[in-house]
Amino acid sequence: GQQVMQIPQYQHVQEGEDFTTYCNSSTTLSNIQWYKQRPGGHPVFLIQLVKSGEVKKQKRLTFQFGEAKKNSSLHITATQTTDVGTYFCAGRRNQGGKLIFGQGTELSVKP
Amino acid sequence: DAGITQSPRHKVTETGTPVTLRCHQTENHRYMYWYRQDPGHGLRLIHYSYGVKDTDKGEVSDGYSVSRSKTEDFLLTLESATSSQTSVYFCAISESVRVETQYFGPGTRLLVL
Repeated sequence: GQQVMQIPQYQHVQEGEDFTTYCNSSTTLSNIQWYKQRPGGHPVFLIQLVKSGEVKKQKRLTFQFGEAKKNSSLHITATQTTDVGTYFCAGRRNQGGKLIFGQGTELSVKP
Repeated sequence: DAGITQSPRHKVTETGTPVTLRCHQTENHRYMYWYRQDPGHGLRLIHYSYGVKDTDKGEVSDGYSVSRSKTEDFLLTLESATSSQTSVYFCAISESVRVETQYFGPGTRLLVL
């Protein structure tokens, strides 16, 4: 079945360092979404990417969707303690299809 | 935050007992989902609903059943709880096929002893 793999599982950074998490699918995706879950909280939608090669930015966060629509990345520039949490990618094979989540990357930021 | 509540928020039960978790939304969204979250597995879909009385299985549906008799309520039942069903359960909603953002409830922590 369709799988979405996410690496790394954990990332510890010093405040101010950059952070990147990668998401890879075994099949082509129609779109990919990213969610953030704060410790003890629930996942919160960040963004959706639809087009091949698409790049979107939200302040210090940069999201990319690969040309083949099988991979994606989230890059955070100059991390802050407020960035702490687990970041999940989630993809669909087709519009309206089930959303398959990656395992998540847990980010910790040392002040 | 979207208007989604889950009850109970915490539950401890014994193996073999039935358990029902409730998800309630005030957004009138058509789609509702139940996920479980376990370390190293991310979020896995248990069941989902695309309308009143319309439900379908997700990737980890064994041992679970669901019902949706009203737009606003989606129930998840563990017919006979097992220790492997100890998890955090999240309900989510989405408006339509076109608007695919999912909004999550606060979660229910279930411990099966």
